[in-house]
Amino acid sequence: GENVEQHPSTLSVQEGDSAVIKCTYSDSASNYFPWYKQELGKRPQLIIDIRSNVGEKKDQRIAVTLNKTAKHFSLHITETQPEDSAVYFCARGGGGNKLTFGTGTQLKVEL
Amino acid sequence: SAVISQKPSRDICQRGTSLTIQCQVDSQVTMMFWYRQQPGQSLTLIATANQGSEATYESGFVIDKFPISRPNLTFSTLTVSNMSPEDSSIYLCSVEGWRGLNTEAFFGQGTRLTVV
Repeated sequence: GENVEQHPSTLSVQEGDSAVIKCTYSDSASNYFPWYKQELGKRPQLIIDIRSNVGEKKDQRIAVTLNKTAKHFSLHITETQPEDSAVYFCARGGGGNKLTFGTGTQLKVEL
Repeated sequence: SAVISQKPSRDICQRGTSLTIQCQVDSQVTMMFWYRQQPGQSLTLIATANQGSEATYESGFVIDKFPISRPNLTFSTLTVSNMSPEDSSIYLCSVEGWRGLNTEAFFGQGTRLTVV
């Protein structure tokens, strides 16, 4: 199907540690893989995205890796801070930005 | 980027009634997307709204329950009809917009609907 599996559903890390969230998909036509951060009561905000012609992308403390052969992609947050605490969603798109979202990961960064 | 104004931001409605949610975009867009986010859940696409044609609904969503209008390239409405408590969710509209040389999805601020 077109679902996106996301793991873990909850993740607790100590401040300064790294956090990794993984997603897998099945639709080979997928070519766009964004990651969203959603704070309580707010709309999802794009934090990083990657397209199928690239294997890795980095933006300061955030990086995303994509393995198209294995159909999985991951979000990596280094040097986590309390303000990174939120729900993170992966998604996949096949064009026109019609997105299928993962199930979400509740990240908690503890002091 | 695309700026989306969505309203109402929240509402509490009686079961059996209907609520219409509006989204206004500051630029012309071909497609607008409507998502539902049930409490503690992920976002699920309800339908894609195209100007000049009927909306395309995803599996599990039907036009009678979620009628959509798209009168022009900057505006769309989603109606939640004959509401029940199970319809209590956040409803978000989304469009594709440019940021630099790439496109991304932009979201309205969402409508938090509670059905009592």
